[in-house]
Amino acid sequence: DQQVKQNSPSLSVQEGRISILNCDYTNSMFDYFLWYKKYPAEGPTFLISISSIKDKNEDGRFTVFLNKSAKHLSLHIVPSQPGDSAVYFCAASRSYNTDKLIFGTGTRLQVFP
Amino acid sequence: EADIYQTPRYLVIGTGKKITLECSQTMGHDKMYWYQQDPGMELHLIHYSYGVNSTEKGDLSSESTVSRIRTEHFPLTLESARPSHTSQYLCASSEPGASGTYEQYFGPGTRLTVT
Repeated sequence: DQQVKQNSPSLSVQEGRISILNCDYTNSMFDYFLWYKKYPAEGPTFLISISSIKDKNEDGRFTVFLNKSAKHLSLHIVPSQPGDSAVYFCAASRSYNTDKLIFGTGTRLQVFP
Repeated sequence: EADIYQTPRYLVIGTGKKITLECSQTMGHDKMYWYQQDPGMELHLIHYSYGVNSTEKGDLSSESTVSRIRTEHFPLTLESARPSHTSQYLCASSEPGASGTYEQYFGPGTRLTVT
């Protein structure tokens, strides 16, 4: 049973607009969440994270929102740029200081001019 | 900047062959991991290590084995490759971040095809 779900396999957004990528989780024990970005033929690279003690974390154009009651998090990219086109993976861990991650299936973002 | 390397990047091999996928990191990280990812699917942890002579199986059962004789090196071996082993294999290492959390750095992956 998938514990981390990314229900949208793909998303297409115009350059300059906002990209919103969603992630749902089922395990209430998860308390640390990460987003990774993956380009073709490369490994995933860490983008941004959030712990359950926060509901928002921002880093430049990237903001992650966490709704614990809904077991839902989202990644907002504003403004979207063509270089953001990649697959985005949501990941979760069961404890704040553990390194064992559970990944979602990814959402392919395409930003077009 | 993370420095973690995987070789080969692509491998096509026949059934029954023994293969070793190499993973090396130059960051001195104690923790290293192997993930398996099929196209369009999530990454699954198959092996991890907390340091030299430490190896553990991950959440996804795998017929592969790993060893950790040196901190920087974490090779994965399949004694007898089968078509069901066709997948992408990603190696990662990690260190504690400023707030005590862990950030994992990934290598570029090895795409294995067993014919």
